[in-house]
This record gives sequence, structure tokens and C-alpha cells, in this order.
Amino acid sequence: AQSVTQLGSHVSVSEGALVLLRCNYSSSVPPYLFWYVQYPNQGLQLLLKYTTGATLVKGINGFEAEFKKSETSFHLTKPSAHMSDAAEYFCAVSAPQGGSEKLVFGKGTKLTVNP
Amino acid sequence: EAGVTQSPTHLIKTRGQQATLRCSPISGHTSVYWYQQALGLGLQFLLWYDEGEERNRGNFPPRFSGRQFPNYSSELNVNALELEDSALYLCASSPRAREAFFGQGTRLTVV
Repeated sequence: AQSVTQLGSHVSVSEGALVLLRCNYSSSVPPYLFWYVQYPNQGLQLLLKYTTGATLVKGINGFEAEFKKSETSFHLTKPSAHMSDAAEYFCAVSAPQGGSEKLVFGKGTKLTVNP
Repeated sequence: EAGVTQSPTHLIKTRGQQATLRCSPISGHTSVYWYQQALGLGLQFLLWYDEGEERNRGNFPPRFSGRQFPNYSSELNVNALELEDSALYLCASSPRAREAFFGQGTRLTVV
């Protein structure tokens, strides 16, 4: 079975600073990995995904994530935070080759951006 | 192209009543997922339907049930509502590419 751990339920950065949101996963088969963002009172929006191929994945709004198999990590980064990045971010994993297409989510990290 | 739509957006019920939440997936998507997002508990997987069948179920009591219709829309039913069922219920659809597209959610309040 897959699982996801997001380190830090709250992260606070200054505007213009680096954003780093951590995600570690567990999967017995090659995983598919996702980052979603949720703005207040809205549903989740896909930021980026890793399925196969290039391990550095670029997403919307300047975010990117790198799949590191040896570290079982898929951390989300953005070089320079913007006020509009304030939201909750969810990492998710699925394991289609294991026969389960169920998406398993981490508990989320709330990002605050200070002026 | 229309996204995932959920109805109603808000629902207020009293304890012991039943709630019915509806979800229309993106056209062409055969899989529908339901998640509960309660305050402080993150996203909890409820149910996964694909091609009209229940494929997987989260760790929720049997009073949480649902179904998927031939047009792939889905319904989530919660019987004998309890106060702790108050949450945002999110529906997502997938074209079996493992990437889920979410609706805006139904906010259920049990009083």
C-alpha cells in the first residue's frame, strides 16, 4: 500500500524567498506522484505530476518538483514566493502498476507568505 | 469543457438525518473518487468508483455509501448523520490516467 508524509503542517516564508515543501512517499511499486494546491473554500487543483521519464517536473505558477527514488522524496520548490502562493498544498501518490489507482494524499502543508 | 461539478455547494442537516451529495465528472472520465476533508484531519479517502463499480473504500462506517450511474455521475449518501460528519466533501474524476480533477466540494454541516 502507498502512503505519503508531508513534513511540516505549516510553512511560513517571506515574499521573494525560496519555497520548499517536503513530501516523502512509500510505495512497493513505481509510483505516480502529484502535487495539488487548494485555495480557501475551493477544490484541489493539480500543480504538477510525475509518472515516468524526466525526474524534474515543472508545473504551473513557477513550481517544480524532483522525484528522487533513492530518497523516496518528491519535494516541491519555487525559487521566489509570491503573495498569491498562500494556500494549502497536498502531495499524493498512486501505484497503478500495483493494481491500485487510488490516490493517497498527505495531510497537507499550509503555506503562508509574509510581505 | 466543463469541469467536475458538485451539488449542492452547501448542505445543512440535523443529526440523524440523511444527506445526499452529487457529482458529475468531466466528460469521458470513468472514475470518480470521494474524499472527506474535515477540519484538522486532512483529506480522507472515502470511495472510488469506476465503470459503475465500487473499486475501493476507505476506513469509514457503512452509513457512508454511494453509487455510480451509467453516465458515470455519482452520488454519496451519508445516513444517520453525526456531528463529526460536518466537513467539505470533495469529488474528483479521472480518465484512468491516475490524475484526478476535483470539483469545488459540498460543505456539509450537521447541527
